[in-house]
Amino acid sequence: KAGVTQTPRYLIKTRGQQVTLSCSPISGHRSVSWYQQTPGQGLQFLFEYFSETQRNKGNFPGRFSGRQFSNSRSEMNVSTLELGDSALYLCASSLSEGARGIQYFGAGTRLSVL
Amino acid sequence: SQQGEEDPQALSIQEGENATMNCSYKTSINNLQWYRQNSGRGLVHLILIRSNEREKHSGRLRVTLDTSKKSSSLLITASRAADTASYFCATDFQGAQKLVFGQGTRLTINP
Repeated sequence: KAGVTQTPRYLIKTRGQQVTLSCSPISGHRSVSWYQQTPGQGLQFLFEYFSETQRNKGNFPGRFSGRQFSNSRSEMNVSTLELGDSALYLCASSLSEGARGIQYFGAGTRLSVL
Repeated sequence: SQQGEEDPQALSIQEGENATMNCSYKTSINNLQWYRQNSGRGLVHLILIRSNEREKHSGRLRVTLDTSKKSSSLLITASRAADTASYFCATDFQGAQKLVFGQGTRLTINP
């Protein structure tokens, strides 16, 4: 069974631009969660989607948004990029709702904002 | 913060030695999980231990949970160079609806 796939693997953007990251979960997994990882803040929960609905949201500004499609694939969008948005963005899928069960992570998208 | 705190932040040992990492948290949990992350990559799940369990084993890994002290430890026995990675605990706080990850322990195994 294929694992969680994130695209692209690397991105370079400039301040003020917007970016869209994509995540394809493991087949059969309906929960997709997004995390931001930085050296200073560690791994921070962004939001979780289950059956196309956002179920839970972390403490991030409205510039960070997401959605989930009927095939469980998910996208995350960051608008008006800031230097501080440079990070590794990780997507994880899970069988159960609530982002509390075992999380299966993708390899991540490394975003650099210049 | 409800975030789990890990100790030590970094650990360097010789191949073949045992490595112990600790995780402390502040509020009641449903379960606690340990993950491994190789440099700049995604996390890999290692073990999940429920709040009513005290110890679990998986191969060379042993996890203990002491809910009275709100702490957990991960022991890796007979370490190998391939164990070099960062290790994170993740707690499922009651009512939280999400996992909260600790800052991680960076483990280096020297040949």
